Amino acid sequence: GAGVSQSPSNKVTEKGKDVELRCDPISGHTALYWYRQSLGQGLEFLIYFQGNSAPDKSGLPSDRFSAERTGGSVSTLTIQRTQQEDSAVYLCASSLAGIGLAKNIQYFGAGTRLSVL
Amino acid sequence: GESVGLHLPTLSVQEGDNSIINCAYSNSASDYFIWYKQESGKGPQFIIDIRSNMDKRQGQRVTVLLNKTVKHLSLQIAATQPGDSAVYFCAENFYNQGGKLIFGQGTELSVKP
Repeated sequence: GAGVSQSPSNKVTEKGKDVELRCDPISGHTALYWYRQSLGQGLEFLIYFQGNSAPDKSGLPSDRFSAERTGGSVSTLTIQRTQQEDSAVYLCASSLAGIGLAKNIQYFGAGTRLSVL
Repeated sequence: GESVGLHLPTLSVQEGDNSIINCAYSNSASDYFIWYKQESGKGPQFIIDIRSNMDKRQGQRVTVLLNKTVKHLSLQIAATQPGDSAVYFCAENFYNQGGKLIFGQGTELSVKP
């Protein structure tokens, strides 16, 4: 596609439910990133994929958070047993390459706004 | 840098004036820096980047300055327009960590017509 696509754009869920957020990166981009943005704050790194592997999961806040990527393309971020503090905008980005000295401009999607009631 | 609260620093300028947005970064080992613009309800949009072996880089109406001695980055916008109103974020990039971005708190730019 022309840009990074995320779905759904908005998600309202009840505390304790599981949610899945989807990211379609720019075609040909091997690196994919998930970030979280709380109201009025900067972006917080969650996880990075190079191909289907996740060499850096250091930003995942707890074991309720997981992510996978299949076929070197689409990625899904899953939050189990959601809590109110999980409410935020979840942003996905992709880039041509994530390692080495290559330029690493990350292109972002519009995000999924998650509200946990 | 770390976020310190819900109140973003704000900068208000008159249309046509030049804007300067400042950012202090946290890691002296960072070797790549990026500025993003984020409009309400949208994802961050890439503006300009700079490597640590450079002090200055210019784009269309924008200039980024890097001062590694004091770990300071600035974004200059010439002839600011109402469409420039947004939140601006600087970010650090660590090549040896797969290129994840560490974002600053952000500055809200408001352009008065």
